[in-house]
Order: sequence, then structure tokens, then C-alpha cells
Amino acid sequence: DVVMTQSPLSLPVTLGQPASISCRSSQSLVYSDGNTYLNWFQQRPGQSPRRLLYKVSNRDSGVPDRFSGSGSGTDFTLKISRVEAEDVGVYYCMQSMHWPWTFGQGTKVEIK
Amino acid sequence: EVQLVESGGGLVQPGGSLRLSCAVSGFTFSSYWMSWVRQAPGKGLEWVANIKPDGSEKYYVDSVEGRFTISRDNAKNSLYLQMNSLRAEDTAVYYCASAVRGAQVDYWGQGTLVTVSS
Repeated sequence: DVVMTQSPLSLPVTLGQPASISCRSSQSLVYSDGNTYLNWFQQRPGQSPRRLLYKVSNRDSGVPDRFSGSGSGTDFTLKISRVEAEDVGVYYCMQSMHWPWTFGQGTKVEIK
Repeated sequence: EVQLVESGGGLVQPGGSLRLSCAVSGFTFSSYWMSWVRQAPGKGLEWVANIKPDGSEKYYVDSVEGRFTISRDNAKNSLYLQMNSLRAEDTAVYYCASAVRGAQVDYWGQGTLVTVSS
């Protein structure tokens, strides 16, 4: 199975400041169609997960533009340009290139 | 409004069976891949199974292969997960979710708790 490794696992941030989470996959996530199937999910406390980004950098409906994704091949990054209180929660990267789809361990974002 | 409503969770003894259901409304269910994702208490997310829109392809994580069966009834806008030979490590909240990897489609249910314990 493809192993997804996130860092850091805990991220205390100051409101209004940027935040960044890294994700590395054990195999390339580039498909033969040229797309890279790397996703980012947010899970707020007590809520169901929600996808923020698909194919590395495409925002899902309703996702604020302060969330952005970048990377290629096996190394990816989620950036929050200015953290807001509603961004508290756990963030997961997930690959949907190889079955079984696999998640990273999760990064807990909290306010300092 | 899109709604995915899971049901069927509960307490079951090791070796027992449960059937989870997910009733979908508000989007064209029959057009999309669907999945079950689980989350053990206090743990991360694990993708369990996927099913193609017409039900002709199914994929499972190794730990449930041969014990769980994903299915769907497009006429009833419903997704199912038949879980047999349940183990303590299957204890989790099970989410029904869309599984569209290349488009702006992402829907999740609220989850249903399955507890496997004697």
C-alpha cells in the first residue's frame, strides 16, 4: 500500500498567520492521464471530514481561497495563508491514485 | 440540499454481522463512485471500500476483503455495506461518502458508529 507521511503532526498557529503542512507519498501519484491524485481533507472537531482540495490544487466548492495546495510526484504541501479560528481541526492528505486509497496520519491544527 | 444519511450501526459481538445503509438525496447518486470510510475512536481516517456507479467494480482495503461487501441500489438511491465476521478492530464510525477523485464533487454523511465487543 502507498504510505502517506505528514509533517508536522501537531501545528500550533497564531490567528492571522500562515500555516503549512507537508505530505509525502511512498509512490508517485501521477496517473497515465497526466493528473496527480492527491487530496487534502479537513475534519473539524465533532464533524465529518470534508475535502478541501483535489488533484493537488483544485479547491472544492465553498473552500476559501486562503487554502492552497502545491507539489508534484511524491511531495505535496497544504498552505493556509492566514489562519482563522474556524480552521481548527485535523488535516489529512489522501492519495486516490493507487488502491487502496490511503490517508496520512493527520495534522492537528490548533490556535496558540 | 445534498443529504447522506447512514443507519444500521450498533453493538455487535465478535464474529457477528451488520448491514449499514446510506440513503442519498440531492444529487445524481447513480452517476458517481461511492465509498465507505471509517474512523476508529480517536484515530485517523481509513478508506474501506469503493463502488463504481453501475456496481460493476468494487475495491476493498485488505483488512476487510472477504468479510465486507459494498453494494448499491441506484433505484433507491442507497449505498450499503454488509459486514460479516466482525472483529474488535472494526470498531469505528463508518461514513458514507462520494468518491469522485477528479471533479468538484465531495459529499459525506454524518457517520454511524459500529462497536464490536462482547
